[in-house]
Amino acid sequence: GESVGLHLPTLSVQEGDNSIINCAYSNSASDYFIWYKQESGKGPQFIIDIRSNMDKRQGQRVTVLLNKTVKHLSLQIAATQPGDSAVYFCAEKTSGSRLTFGEGTQLTVNP
Amino acid sequence: GAVVSQHPSWVICKSGTSVKIECRSLDFQATTMFWYRQFPKQSLMLMATSNEGSKATYEQGVEKDKFLINHASLTLSTLTVTSAHPEDSSFYICSARDGGRAADTQYFGPGTRLTVL
Repeated sequence: GESVGLHLPTLSVQEGDNSIINCAYSNSASDYFIWYKQESGKGPQFIIDIRSNMDKRQGQRVTVLLNKTVKHLSLQIAATQPGDSAVYFCAEKTSGSRLTFGEGTQLTVNP
Repeated sequence: GAVVSQHPSWVICKSGTSVKIECRSLDFQATTMFWYRQFPKQSLMLMATSNEGSKATYEQGVEKDKFLINHASLTLSTLTVTSAHPEDSSFYICSARDGGRAADTQYFGPGTRLTVL
């Protein structure tokens, strides 16, 4: 069935390093993807999105890459800061307006 | 912009009682709202999709008579957990889709922590 998954459940980086969080999706018909950040006890916060007609999109300190050939999505965070510590979810728009979420990656930034 | 609020932020209730959770879009009109449930260290699971003025569409395995959803206006949706039991304890999160710009993006509320004793 449709699924969105992540390769690594946890990621630990040093402050100032770049972080890369990966996501695999299985529905080749998906045309819209979103990355969310969720801090403990809070709702998901929109970070960046990308449509399937693009392969790269940049925001402030974040870049999303989309490789439709291998159905892979990644989130790159530049100069990672302690405040970036959170769980990161990728989400895929499947049928209609529904979003299917991946399992999440816990990012820990060490000072 | 695109702010979604939820009330209450947490609630503790006795088994067998009903609890209502409100979700509001504060600065945009939400033609569609979504309700998710999240257990500790797990991902978000979609429970239902609600469109203003019509009945909600429930995901497979979600009891519509237990989780009552009302989307009476373009800025308010409510989720009522009826006859709550301890296994209903969870983090309930709503999201709203802006019917105008960026129509595919969902903006999430801060969540409601429900504990059923």
